[in-house]
Amino acid sequence: DAGVTQSPTHLIKTRGQQVTLRCSPISGHKSVSWYQQVLGQGPQFIFQYYEKEERGRGNFPDRFSARQFPNYSSELNVNALLLGDSALYLCASSSRTGSSYNEQFFGPGTRLTVL
Amino acid sequence: TQLLEQSPQFLSIQEGENLTVYCNSSSVFSSLQWYRQEPGEGPVLLVTVVTGGEVKKLKRLTFQFGDARKDSSLHITAAQPGDTGLYLCAGAGGGYQKVTFGTGTKLQVIP
Repeated sequence: DAGVTQSPTHLIKTRGQQVTLRCSPISGHKSVSWYQQVLGQGPQFIFQYYEKEERGRGNFPDRFSARQFPNYSSELNVNALLLGDSALYLCASSSRTGSSYNEQFFGPGTRLTVL
Repeated sequence: TQLLEQSPQFLSIQEGENLTVYCNSSSVFSSLQWYRQEPGEGPVLLVTVVTGGEVKKLKRLTFQFGDARKDSSLHITAAQPGDTGLYLCAGAGGGYQKVTFGTGTKLQVIP
């Protein structure tokens, strides 16, 4: 079975541009979460979506938005890019939410560089 | 704000040595996960601990969840070069299962 897939693998943008990152969860998983990982740090939670609804939002500005589609894939959009948005963006899927378990499976990430 | 502090931040040891990584918080978590991440890849789940005081073993790795579910430790016995990587703890809690990651421990095992 395929794991979590993300596209593109790498992306280079300039300040002020907009970017869309894509994620396909493991088949049967209905929950998708997005994380930002700056070099040398642990991932920071951005969003969680479950059954196409936003279920959680981290401490990120409104320039960050996301959505989940009927097939449970997801997109993360970032507007008005800043140099500080350069990071590895990780998508994780899990089979459920709202329980005491939250075993997430991560994709390989999208490396975004903002020049 | 939930914070997870890991120590040490960096660890460079010789093959065959033992080591312990700590993950501490002032917050209570409903579950805690440990991940290993290699450069350019996403984190890979190693274990989930749920019950206070729980101990889980995965070959040479031993994971423990604190009695109060605020802290955890990862002990590696006879480290191998293949254990090299970034070790992350992550705590889950809250109604929407927001996951808070620790600051990470970068381990290098020298042959």
